[in-house]
Amino acid sequence: SQTIHQWPATLVQPVGSPLSLECTVEGTSNPNLYWYRQAAGRGLQLLFYSVGIGQISSEVPQNLSASRPQDRQFILSSKKLLLSDSGFYLCAWSLLAGGSNEQFFGPGTRLTVL
Amino acid sequence: EDQVTQSPEALRLQEGESSSLNCSYTVSGLRGLFWYRQDPGKGPEFLFTLYSAGEEKEKERLKATLTKKESFLHITAPKPEDSATYLCAVQANYGQNFVFGPGTRLSVLP
Repeated sequence: SQTIHQWPATLVQPVGSPLSLECTVEGTSNPNLYWYRQAAGRGLQLLFYSVGIGQISSEVPQNLSASRPQDRQFILSSKKLLLSDSGFYLCAWSLLAGGSNEQFFGPGTRLTVL
Repeated sequence: EDQVTQSPEALRLQEGESSSLNCSYTVSGLRGLFWYRQDPGKGPEFLFTLYSAGEEKEKERLKATLTKKESFLHITAPKPEDSATYLCAVQANYGQNFVFGPGTRLSVLP
């Protein structure tokens, strides 16, 4: 069966510090991968998605970047964090196969920027 | 632009009191509509995918239905463990991304 991992689970960082969040998927090949941010009490905002190694699409201009160095690894980064980067970050995967392409989410990373 | 709205924003039910959550959507060609359950501090848990108007899916006390403009999540005789935020999302035919609604926060009181 497929599983998705995210780490760290919780992170407190000062403004201006760098960021690296990692997501890995097990039990599947060539998944579509997604990074979302969820502000308190709000819906999910799509940040990036990737359909393959090195292929990244950005949905909103921001202080963040994403990379996909391996088929099942997706990394979210920032060179200098802003207060507005605080939130709950979720990684998800999906497969486009036979029309069944629902997303499956990881446990999330709670980021607090002080 | 693809959009998803959900109502009500919050819903409080007594245990056993059935109700429905609404998801209204605007999309240029629907590939799929998805329902998720999210518990506090956790990632969303997949519930259902609906592909075409008239389709229905059931799981335990939950039933999801789909029309050309909206979807309903019906909750029959809910229990306190059904308390969660329920998210609706759509995916258009033309792209790989998903658009999520803001969610409905459901509380079921014993």
